[in-house]
Amino acid sequence: AQSVAQPEDQVNVAEGNPLTVKCTYSVSGNPYLFWYVQYPNRGLQFLLKYITGDNLVKGSYGFEAEFNKSQTSFHLKKPSALVSDSALYFCAVRENQNFVFGPGTRLSVLP
Amino acid sequence: KAGVTQTPRYLIKTRGQQVTLSCSPISGHRSVSWYQQTPGQGLQFLFEYFSETQRNKGNFPGRFSGRQFSNSRSEMNVSTLELGDSALYLCASRLDSSYGYTFGSGTRLTVV
Repeated sequence: AQSVAQPEDQVNVAEGNPLTVKCTYSVSGNPYLFWYVQYPNRGLQFLLKYITGDNLVKGSYGFEAEFNKSQTSFHLKKPSALVSDSALYFCAVRENQNFVFGPGTRLSVLP
Repeated sequence: KAGVTQTPRYLIKTRGQQVTLSCSPISGHRSVSWYQQTPGQGLQFLFEYFSETQRNKGNFPGRFSGRQFSNSRSEMNVSTLELGDSALYLCASRLDSSYGYTFGSGTRLTVV
């Protein structure tokens, strides 16, 4: 059975500072990992995915994520946060044909 | 390229009624999935349809049902509505299981 954990309900960061949103996973076999972002009253928007290859994945809006197999983590990062990055972030894992989403982390970027 | 379209955006229903939500996937996408999003339970998988066949089903009661048409459009039906069914219902489509989802903006259902 697969599972996804996002250990922080809320992350606060000052504008211009680097941000990290954490995700750990538990799957059997090779994981397909995804990050999505949700703005208020909107659906989820795809940010990036890891299927195979380079452990550092670059995505939309300047976000990137680092896959770490030994720590079973897939943390989302951005070098310099913007106030407009404030949103709800979901990590997800695909195993077989099913998607399992983490509980979400609310990111607040303070001006 | 048009995105995933969900209608209506907002619905208010009373307990005991039934409701049908509609989803038009991205053109060419054959897989459509439905999720329920609530503050307490997060995103919960309802079901997935692929080429008019239900491929996967989440852990929801039989009051929740869906179908997919030959043009890949999908509908979700909830019968005998309960207060706890109030949620944002998200539809997502993808080309096939190798790809990630594209989500619609959702239908916010309020049951009173």
